[in-house]
Amino acid sequence: AQSVTQLDSQVPVFEEAPVELRCNYSSSVSVYLFWYVQYPNQGLQLLLKYLSGSTLVKGINGFEAEFNKSQTSFHLRKPSVHISDTAEYFCAVSDSVTQGGSEKLVFGKGTKLTVNP
Amino acid sequence: NAGVTQTPKFQVLKTGQSMTLQCAQDMNHEYMSWYRQDPGMGLRLIHYSVGAGITDQGEVPNGYNVSRSTTEDFPLRLLSAAPSQTSVYFCASKDGGAGDTQYFGPGTRLTVL
Repeated sequence: AQSVTQLDSQVPVFEEAPVELRCNYSSSVSVYLFWYVQYPNQGLQLLLKYLSGSTLVKGINGFEAEFNKSQTSFHLRKPSVHISDTAEYFCAVSDSVTQGGSEKLVFGKGTKLTVNP
Repeated sequence: NAGVTQTPKFQVLKTGQSMTLQCAQDMNHEYMSWYRQDPGMGLRLIHYSVGAGITDQGEVPNGYNVSRSTTEDFPLRLLSAAPSQTSVYFCASKDGGAGDTQYFGPGTRLTVL
């Protein structure tokens, strides 16, 4: 079984500042990793995902994340945030080994990013 | 493509009432799933389907039924609603490949009084 811990429930930052949203996972097997964003009163949209290969993954809207297998982390970063990045961000993991395992996402509890002017 | 659609957007029920949350996708995806989102809890998997006629339980299946008679539709049934089922419900779909992106619908906000 997998689990995900998002270390900060809320992160306030000023516009144009850098931001890092932290995510750690636990799994006995290899995993796929995802970051989703949820804008107020909307569904979830994929920001980026790590399946294999390069550990630095670039996504939409200038976000990137780095997979660190030894630290079981997948932190999300953006060098300069905008007001429009205000949203809730979810880290998720799925089993990449077991047949059918990749179908089931396990989510963290979310991090609310608030970008202030 | 409309993607993943859900109806209704909002619903209020009384304890003990039944209802069906509708979910449809027009991307010919094999896999569909239902999640519930509660404050501070993230999203938790209720039920999922890997194809027409095949369903299975997720993390929190109690109180919910599903069936999948077509590729496009995956309704979620509450047979006897309880206040603990007050939540926002999201349907998602993905193609069959491992690691493929799950696409989420806009959600149904359900309140059980």
